[in-house]
Amino acid sequence: KAGVTQTPRYLIKTRGQQVTLSCSPISGHRSVSWYQQTPGQGLQFLFEYFSETQRNKGNFPGRFSGRQFSNSRSEMNVSTLELGDSALYLCASSYGTAGNQPQHFGDGTRLSIL
Amino acid sequence: DAKTTQPPSMDCAEGRAANLPCNHSTISGNEYVYWYRQIHSQGPQYIIHGLKNNETNEMASLIITEDRKSSTLILPHATLRDTAVYYCIVRVANGSGNTGKLIFGQGTTLQVKP
Repeated sequence: KAGVTQTPRYLIKTRGQQVTLSCSPISGHRSVSWYQQTPGQGLQFLFEYFSETQRNKGNFPGRFSGRQFSNSRSEMNVSTLELGDSALYLCASSYGTAGNQPQHFGDGTRLSIL
Repeated sequence: DAKTTQPPSMDCAEGRAANLPCNHSTISGNEYVYWYRQIHSQGPQYIIHGLKNNETNEMASLIITEDRKSSTLILPHATLRDTAVYYCIVRVANGSGNTGKLIFGQGTTLQVKP
């Protein structure tokens, strides 16, 4: 079974631009969560989607948004990029939302802001 | 903030068992203990999880104390490829919208040496 696929793997943008990252979950998984990883803050939760609905949101500004499609694929968007948005963005999928259903991570999209 | 405390680093000899401790003294009755690991430049890899009973799978064993205030991840025969950052996480099982939110601490950097 294929794992979580994130595209693109690497991305370079400049300040003020916007970016869209894509995540394809494991087949059959309906829950998708997003995380940001930086050297200073570590891994931080961004948001969680299930059945096209956002269930939970982390403490990030409104420039960070996401959505989930009917096939469970998800995208996240960051507008008006800042230097501090440089990070590894990770997507994780799970079958459902119950706490005993493990989340499985992709290898992320590394975003660099110039 | 993370609800777990882990030593920042540990060493282990190749072929020996690696025992990684985790303190979660404020864990609630409906929270699972999860372990993930992250090898440089990859996404976190799910290892194992448990509620109150000890668990074993093909990767590792999880020993949870009877009072559930601490646990130990055991890699029975460590190899060089087990060198990684290991994260211990407590996760709400059900009854709220927070089940999809994993809160990562700083983890334990395990160095397996030849």
